[in-house]
Amino acid sequence: GAVVSQHPSWVICKSGTSVKIECRSLDFQATTMFWYRQFPKQSLMLMATSNEGSKATYEQGVEKDKFLINHASLTLSTLTVTSAHPEDSSFYICSWGGHPSRDTQYFGPGTRLTVL
Amino acid sequence: AQKVTQAQTEISVVEKEDVTLDCVYETRDTTYYLFWYKQPPSGELVFLIRRNSFDEQNEISGRYSWNFQKSTSSFNFTITASQVVDSAVYFCALSEARGQAGTALIFGKGTTLSVSS
Repeated sequence: GAVVSQHPSWVICKSGTSVKIECRSLDFQATTMFWYRQFPKQSLMLMATSNEGSKATYEQGVEKDKFLINHASLTLSTLTVTSAHPEDSSFYICSWGGHPSRDTQYFGPGTRLTVL
Repeated sequence: AQKVTQAQTEISVVEKEDVTLDCVYETRDTTYYLFWYKQPPSGELVFLIRRNSFDEQNEISGRYSWNFQKSTSSFNFTITASQVVDSAVYFCALSEARGQAGTALIFGKGTTLSVSS
């Protein structure tokens, strides 16, 4: 079945630095990827939709200049957390937004970001 | 607005007990999909089931069963004879069509299940 990978699986960085998270579809082409964020002991919240070849769309309340999304190819989407602060510490998960009648909504394994 | 409510924040049971996790949803769509995911401590989401809005048949898979009732907008999940390995956070999710962008999921807040031996 379809597989989505994320890299890195975890990252620790200092406040003020930028962190890039990669999301790859390994055996299918994805025109759309979704990025979710999960704070400790909370639910997954949709952050943004990543569209191949066009600008990402962000959910209300998500700063687009803070969370830069690039979907340059059909197999790779990246999320860059710019000038990270401790409040950005979270679990970031990507998924492929295929049609739910065919697919199980393939999720990546997630990236745990800790900002010191 | 699309919404998923999992009223039970935490449930603790002893091994071999049956446990039901509740899920109530709100949607304006006539066609939609409901999901259950398990999230163990590692964080990776494990897909359990997908159900479309036209199929109200209950489903059983081993010790797991699901009861979908459109009349009450509920999609409850029962684990029979629970085991310690069932300890995890369980999320109910509802599809949200995003036009050409595909389909995102709206998640409930999750229910943390703790099974003790």
